[in-house]
Amino acid sequence: GAVVSQHPSWVICKSGTSVKIECRSLDFQATTMFWYRQFPKQSLMLMATSNEGSKATYEQGVEKDKFLINHASLTLSTLTVTSAHPEDSSFYICSAQGGQSFESNTEAFFGQGTRLTVV
Amino acid sequence: GQNIDQPTEMTATEGAIVQINCTYQTSGFNGLFWYQQHAGEAPTFLSYNVLDGLEEKGRFSSFLSRSKGYSYLLLKELQMKDSASYLCAVVDSNYQLIWGAGTKLIIKP
Repeated sequence: GAVVSQHPSWVICKSGTSVKIECRSLDFQATTMFWYRQFPKQSLMLMATSNEGSKATYEQGVEKDKFLINHASLTLSTLTVTSAHPEDSSFYICSAQGGQSFESNTEAFFGQGTRLTVV
Repeated sequence: GQNIDQPTEMTATEGAIVQINCTYQTSGFNGLFWYQQHAGEAPTFLSYNVLDGLEEKGRFSSFLSRSKGYSYLLLKELQMKDSASYLCAVVDSNYQLIWGAGTKLIIKP
């Protein structure tokens, strides 16, 4: 299957600093990328959907000024957690999709995830 | 509202068979995914069903009944490495993924 690379795998940062997480599709063009957050023992929660070249669509309750998403190319999307606080500590996962929808049995390919710990 | 229900936790014995159920109520339906997720890792794709019936893939099979809003994941010849969470996710009419909370499967020797 297709490969999505997410970096870094884990990061520890001080409260108040910003952290950037990269998500790259290595062997296909990802027109749509999704960013998820997962707290321990909970399901994946969609944070935002981004389409290459346009602004991301954020889910209700997700602060767009705090979680900056940039999808500047068909192979790279970034999530920047600005002014991070301990409550932002979580597992962040990106997934990429080559088509515009889930038609034609398009599966979502996931990155490895990033474990963020804010101290 | 939209809802996906799965059991929170199941326990099974190595070598046995286990069935993980998923029921859903969503605004429209455009397919159902099953993913496996080991602790601290990203989910990995197991299966996709969009038509009624059983899809078999090695030791794993997935079944769908759209009229009942029901799916199950069947795992045969269980191995210790199958201990993980299994996530059911439905694609709704807006092609958004609606995730279940996941079923933690514990395999005992």
